[in-house]
Order: sequence, then structure tokens, then C-alpha cells
Amino acid sequence: AQTVTQSQPEMSVQEAETVTLSCTYDTSESNYYLFWYKQPPSRQMILVIRQEAYKQQNATENRFSVNFQKAAKSFSLKISDSQLGDTAMYFCALGPGTSGSRLTFGEGTQLTVNP
Amino acid sequence: SQTIHQWPATLVQPVGSPLSLECTVEGTSNPNLYWYRQAAGRGLQLLFYSVGIGQISSEVPQNLSASRPQDRQFILSSKKLLLSDSGFYLCAWNLGQGYEQYFGPGTRLTVT
Repeated sequence: AQTVTQSQPEMSVQEAETVTLSCTYDTSESNYYLFWYKQPPSRQMILVIRQEAYKQQNATENRFSVNFQKAAKSFSLKISDSQLGDTAMYFCALGPGTSGSRLTFGEGTQLTVNP
Repeated sequence: SQTIHQWPATLVQPVGSPLSLECTVEGTSNPNLYWYRQAAGRGLQLLFYSVGIGQISSEVPQNLSASRPQDRQFILSSKKLLLSDSGFYLCAWNLGQGYEQYFGPGTRLTVT
């Protein structure tokens, strides 16, 4: 069975600062995929970033980057130069590499960016 | 480009009434389709998923059911709603293993 844990239910950051959201996971598969999704107040789920476990290089998307530590089963999201529009619930998700396409989601971290 | 639609956006139904939520995907063929439910401020609970027409897998035993009458159409139904069915329902699709899921705008259901 796969599990995803987000240990920070809420976080806040000042505009223009950097914040890191934590995610740990567990899986018995050797190949898998990790994702971060953002859910703003509109509740539309938006893909932020994707990481393939067999790639050692950390994924980046503009101001968003991940720190993928495969041995520690850790997948944290760093948001640089935080903007008010980054205020949202952030979900970490784990997808299997060999046994289907269902994703396992964490419980989420509510991030508030303060002006 | 691919688009996913859900309707209705908002629904208020009395206890014991039937339910039908619809999800359609445009711009792709043979997608995997998913129904999730989300309580306020909480994570996503997978309800059903489908890898093809007529193929439905249920994750949580309850009074909801799902059907996939066409390749890009996914329907969530209930014969008699319960108060506990209230929530935010999200439909999603992907191309299979290793691919990210893309979500529709959701349906907010309130059972009174």
C-alpha cells in the first residue's frame, strides 16, 4: 500500500519570501511518480510540478522547485519569491510506476501568503 | 488541447432524492477517469475509477455508483442521497500509469 504524509496542516509566509512544504511517502515500488497540486480558494486543482523517481535531478517550474530525497522518501516543495496568488491548499501525491494509474494524496498543507 | 467539464457546478438536494453528476473530457481518447470527494479543508477521497467503457472500480462501499457509457463520459449517481454525501466532487482524467491527473472544476453538493 502507498501512503503520503504532509505533516504541516498550515503554514504562512510573507510576500517575496521563500517557503518549503514537506511531504514524505511510502511505497514498495522501485519506480513511481510524485506530484504537487495546488488548490486555490476556487477549489480548482492545478498541477504544480511532477517528478519521476528514476530521475535524480530535481524538477523545477519557474518559482517552484522540489527537493527529492529518494532514500529518505521525502519530496518537499520550495516556493521562491512567494506571491499573494500562491495562497492555496497544496497536496502532495504519489503515483505507482507499475501497478495502475491511481494517485494517493496527502491531507494537504494550507499556505497563506501575507502582504 | 484537452478540456474536462463537470456539471452542475452547484447542487442542493434533499435527503432521499436521486443524484446524477456528469463529467466529460474533450481532446483525448481512452482516458482513465476518476471520481473524488473532498470534505471542506480536507484531502481527496477516491470513490471510483475507470480504465475503459463499462469498466468501473469502486474504492469505497457506499450508496454511490458510477457508470461510463461512453469513452469520455463518466457519471456519478445515487438512488437516495444521505446527509453524509454532502461535499465537493471532483472528476479527473489521465492517460494512464505515470501520467499526472487533470481535474475538472468540481461540483459542490449540499444534501439538506
